Amino acid sequence: KNEVEQSPQNLTAQEGEFITINCSYSVGISALHWLQQHPGGGIVSLFMLSSGKKKHGRLIATINIQEKHSSLHITASHPRDSAVYICAVRYNFNKFYFGSGTKLNVKP
Amino acid sequence: DVKVTQSSRYLVKRTGEKVFLECVQDMDHENMFWYRQDPGLGLRLIYFSYDVKMKEKGDIPEGYSVSREKKERFSLILESASTNQTSMYLCASSSEGRGKLFFGSGTQLSVL
Repeated sequence: KNEVEQSPQNLTAQEGEFITINCSYSVGISALHWLQQHPGGGIVSLFMLSSGKKKHGRLIATINIQEKHSSLHITASHPRDSAVYICAVRYNFNKFYFGSGTKLNVKP
Repeated sequence: DVKVTQSSRYLVKRTGEKVFLECVQDMDHENMFWYRQDPGLGLRLIYFSYDVKMKEKGDIPEGYSVSREKKERFSLILESASTNQTSMYLCASSSEGRGKLFFGSGTQLSVL
C-alpha cells in the first residue's frame, strides 16, 4: 500500500503549456513537500505546505487538507522544467513518506 | 547558502569491502536521514537519526549501520558490500517540527 500516490507517472508537454501534477495521501500529516530532481542531480525542495497555497515564480502549490490532496502547477512551462517532481508528506514528527515521482519532459 | 554535503559523488567498490558514506550538514539540524533511490522504487529510508548518538531503523536497514558522533555528521556504513547495494544514496536533514527537507547531491555507489 502506498501512502502517497502521484499522478501522472510520466508527462510530456510542449513549451508554454500549463502543467498540473497531483498528489494524494492517506495518512495524517504535519506538512507536505514538493521536491524537484534533475537528471543525475540531487533533490531540491520547492515548497513546504501545511495549508492553502504557495507561489514561487511560475510554480504554484496547493493543498486541501480535508481531501488529503495537493497539486503542483507550472505555468508557461520551459524545457529547463524537465525533471522528476516528488511529493513527500511528513508524519509522525520525524518521518516522511515519498511518492514515486512524476517525470516531466518539456519539449521546445 | 545552507548545505548538505556528501563526501563522494561516485564510488566503485568490490564485493565484501567495508564502505563508508559521509554526510555533513551546516544547518544545526536535529534530524538526519539516509535514503537509497532505485529506479521504479523511489526513495526508501535506510536509517535516520534524531540526535547525536540516537538512531532509528528505517524500512531497509539490513546490511547497513550508521554513526552519528557529532550533530553535523551522519555516516552510513556498509559492513560488507554486496552487488544488490549498488544504488544512489541520498543524505538529507531537517529541523524539528515542520522544517524543510534538505538533500545532499547523492552518491552513486557501484559494487562489483
